[in-house]
Amino acid sequence: GAGVSQSPSNKVTEKGKDVELRCDPISGHTALYWYRQRLGQGLEFLIYFQGNSAPDKSGLPSDRFSAERTGESVSTLTIQRTQQEDSAVYLCASSLKDRNQYFGPGTRLTVT
Amino acid sequence: GQQLNQSPQSMFIQEGEDVSMNCTSSSIFNTWLWYKQDPGEGPVLLIALYKAGELTSNGRLTAQFGITRKDSFLNISASIPSDVGIYFCAGRPMNSGYSTLTFGKGTMLLVSP
Repeated sequence: GAGVSQSPSNKVTEKGKDVELRCDPISGHTALYWYRQRLGQGLEFLIYFQGNSAPDKSGLPSDRFSAERTGESVSTLTIQRTQQEDSAVYLCASSLKDRNQYFGPGTRLTVT
Repeated sequence: GQQLNQSPQSMFIQEGEDVSMNCTSSSIFNTWLWYKQDPGEGPVLLIALYKAGELTSNGRLTAQFGITRKDSFLNISASIPSDVGIYFCAGRPMNSGYSTLTFGKGTMLLVSP
């Protein structure tokens, strides 16, 4: 496809379970970003990948959150031992290096 | 961390009216971006501003990068029902890398036909 895709679109999980969210960036985009959007809030930066450089993890809220990216393609965001406060929409964006970000549709995570 | 104050939080207007929303920051930014988010979708970039004083239009949308580098506004002229959505400002603080993008909390726009 032409845009950023994310899966699943919706995920309901029980408190304490692990979840894995996937992002497929636009082909050729070297930079990839993960954000969290709580209901009625703006976007909260989580992590940034740029090529083969070490990722910028400064936005990850706790050590339960981690993300990986294989080369310049797919990325997965993993949340371990989910808590109710993790409920949010998780948005992925990609860009050419140092250019503007294009967002995917997001994954809506609900922790019950 | 950086704070962006976006106002108003929400607006309910009649079709055909003009709309204005703005963002202010506590520090100097070197880039201002305006996004629109439809329900169930990710934000879509509307306008990007890179220089203080820059005024840029995209159809019925006009945005400006404030001279002080601490604010930006977005105007929508002759609103139509499909303008409904949440509008976010975003900015990059001076001397930050491209990984750093701070978002406002959004302005929800409702347009009645």
